[in-house]
Amino acid sequence: GDSVTQMEGPVTLSEEAFLTINCTYTATGYPSLFWYVQYPGEGLQLLLKATKADDKGSNKGFEATYRKETTSFHLEKGSVQVSDSAVYFCALRIQGAQKLVFGQGTRLTINP
Amino acid sequence: NAGVTQTPKFQVLKTGQSMTLQCAQDMNHEYMSWYRQDPGMGLRLIHYSVGAGITDQGEVPNGYNVSRSTTEDFPLRLLSAAPSQTSVYFCASSQGTGGFGNTIYFGEGSWLTVV
Repeated sequence: GDSVTQMEGPVTLSEEAFLTINCTYTATGYPSLFWYVQYPGEGLQLLLKATKADDKGSNKGFEATYRKETTSFHLEKGSVQVSDSAVYFCALRIQGAQKLVFGQGTRLTINP
Repeated sequence: NAGVTQTPKFQVLKTGQSMTLQCAQDMNHEYMSWYRQDPGMGLRLIHYSVGAGITDQGEVPNGYNVSRSTTEDFPLRLLSAAPSQTSVYFCASSQGTGGFGNTIYFGEGSWLTVV
């Protein structure tokens, strides 16, 4: 079946550090890939997405590239801020399917 | 810009009680769904709807009912609450019926505790 595996958390970094959160997937069809972010006490917000191989999604300094050959969609940011502290979810959606398949989430804490 | 609106945000229920979580969207989206979020498990699909009058089950439908009488509203009913239903519930919607790349938008969540 379809699944998403994320880097185990929690992850703690210092401000201005480089961030990578790994995400790999298994899909029976051709997926679109997403990163969602959940700030404390809030709902999920779409951070970025990519719909085909080699696409790069970007938003708020975050980037992720759809790598079909490695079935990966790793999230990166060059210099994190305290305000980036949140839980990050990688997800996929198969064309025509009615649901998102989520990874387990990675809690990120940025210390000043 | 209301988007997807869920009520209530917080609720405490006793075992065996019933309640309805409300969800409304103002984007004229055909597709609506309910997920639950549990620690270490990401989000799992409970029920979904591809239009008014059409609903179907997701991964974890037991103990929940839904209906879709209008495009805008998609309430989730707990018939007899159990402690295992303690969770955070998210309503979501998107344009189309699963079209490739269509973004799914989420509400702010409803935190439910069953004691």
